[in-house]
Parts: sequence; C-alpha cells; structure tokens
Amino acid sequence: NAGVTQTPKFRVLKTGQSMTLLCAQDMNHEYMYWYRQDPGMGLRLIHYSVGEGTTAKGEVPDGYNVSRLKKQNFLLGLESAAPSQTSVYFCASRTGDRPQHFGDGTRLSIL
Amino acid sequence: RKEVEQDPGPFNVPEGATVAFNCTYSNSASQSFFWYRQDCRKEPKLLMSVYSSGNEDGRFTAQLNRASQYISLLIRDSKLSDSATYLCVVNGNFNKFYFGSGTKLNVKP
Repeated sequence: NAGVTQTPKFRVLKTGQSMTLLCAQDMNHEYMYWYRQDPGMGLRLIHYSVGEGTTAKGEVPDGYNVSRLKKQNFLLGLESAAPSQTSVYFCASRTGDRPQHFGDGTRLSIL
Repeated sequence: RKEVEQDPGPFNVPEGATVAFNCTYSNSASQSFFWYRQDCRKEPKLLMSVYSSGNEDGRFTAQLNRASQYISLLIRDSKLSDSATYLCVVNGNFNKFYFGSGTKLNVKP
C-alpha cells in the first residue's frame, strides 16, 4: 500500500515557469491538503479539498491553483513561479475525523 | 494572533530525562488535536492523537486543557531516537488544520 505519493520529489524552476505537482492517494480518503513548509516554520495550508470536484483556499493560496478531478488525485499548480515559492511542499489526506497522512514532500527551488 | 503557538526550543536533555512540551491554540471550538513528529527534511508522522481525558502510548503522554486552551506532550525516559521536531496540530473551521511551528528536541548521550 503506497499511501500518499508525491511527484516529483525535487524540481528546480526558473522564475516565470509553470509546473504542476501531483499528489496521489490509494486509501479512498475524502479530504486532501496541500501545505508548504519554510525553514523554521510550521506547515501552512495552501489549498484543500473535501471531495472530488471541490477545492477551497487555505492560509496562503495566492500564486497557486488546484484541481481534484479524481478522488485519488490532488494537483497543485504554479502558473508563474516566483522565488518566494521556493519551499518544501507536502500533500496530506485523511478520512472522517482521522488524522492526516502525509506524502514525503516535494522540494522546489525557483531561481 | 497565530492559531497555534509552540515554544521553538531547542530542548536539550540527557538520555533518560523526562521532558514536556506545551502548545496553545486560539480557537475555542477546536475539537481535534494531534502531535506529529518531524525528522529533519522528512514528512510529519503522527505521534498520537490527543483526547479530552488524556491518553498515553508507552513513554508518551498527551493532555488537553480546554479551559486554558493548550495541549501538552510528556516524554519519559528520553531516547536518542526521540530527537526530532514535535508539531502540534489543531483543527479549525471547515476541515482545516493548523500547525504550530514545532518544538525541537535534542536528546544527548
């Protein structure tokens, strides 16, 4: 059982480029989340989804878009990458009132 | 005011010591509380949920104080392998969760 899988694991982008981060979960979880973590800080919620076809903004949504076309996948897009978006990105999923399970992260650098 | 606040530490303790961390939260309507452990550059991993009556898992004890809006984590008989950052997580409105910035623990031989 893979759990939560994030791709890619690492990426370097130039300012202004676009990219999509993929989060896939095989646990049939309803809820999925995208967080970013910067040095010395906790995780901050970017966007989240409470079910297939639904998304909502978190604490720091600006510069990001998301889609949840299939229950098992939650995509995070950067339309025009900026150096301030250099971070480690974590995806998580959960079901009911259970705690979140995390993917192992995507390390993104924007030059 | 931050939704969840933690002392960043670091807490430097010898093996075998008992250490306690606190975490305060601002939303009095919060119902779900968790402690996660995060090793350097790794994903957060669930350590334990925190229940109203308090709960224990081996050397780890978690407590919730709703009146004062804080949760605590007690680690007894610290091991070298307990060295990590401990994250406090509290639910907010509309299925959101808020993370503290973490408390770093260093257990020394």
